[in-house]
Amino acid sequence: EAGVVQSPRYKIIEKKQPVAFWCNPISGHNTLYWYLQNLGQGPELLIRYENEEAVDDSQLPKDRFSAERLKGVDSTLKIQPAELGDSAVYLCASSLAGPGSGANVLTFGAGSRLTVL
Amino acid sequence: AQSVTQPDIHITVSEGASLELRCNYSYGATPYLFWYVQSPGQGLQLLLKYFSGDTLVQGIKGFEAEFKRSQSSFNLRKPSVHWSDAAEYFCAVGALGDDKIIFGKGTRLHILP
Repeated sequence: EAGVVQSPRYKIIEKKQPVAFWCNPISGHNTLYWYLQNLGQGPELLIRYENEEAVDDSQLPKDRFSAERLKGVDSTLKIQPAELGDSAVYLCASSLAGPGSGANVLTFGAGSRLTVL
Repeated sequence: AQSVTQPDIHITVSEGASLELRCNYSYGATPYLFWYVQSPGQGLQLLLKYFSGDTLVQGIKGFEAEFKRSQSSFNLRKPSVHWSDAAEYFCAVGALGDDKIIFGKGTRLHILP
């Protein structure tokens, strides 16, 4: 079984440029998460989807970040324009069910490392 | 608000020695607890989880963890570490009816030959 697939693995851009990250979750996993991981820190939730609905986007900086999960499968996270402080790893994870359900074991992708110059 | 504390930023042990990584959580209800491991340049891999029942849980790669409600702790242990265990370890907490999984800041494990 394929795991959570993310691309690109690495991206270097100049500030004020746009960038997009793509995630393909494990087949059948209804819940999809985007996490931000700064250097030396634990993952912090940006947005959670249940199927195609964003059910928790309270931590997503909506002035520059956007996300979508059309058809409830693949997801894209976009930053426009990028700032120096956005340099981090963007992790995608998926699970069969949402948090607190007892079945919410997250499977993570390898992450997309963004460097903003 | 729920929170997770991993008091040790770095831990160094010799290969073959025993290991204990500490995790304390703050949450009003019965938590779900997880330990994940992250190797350099990789995503997080689940080592083990506690949802209910036996408070001593076994995981992959020879790891185990014990849930102690009275101490609000979920420490990770391994009797004998291998050089390949060098990585970053994250404790995480969720709960029935809650909609967030909170991660600690991680403990980086270094192995001496």
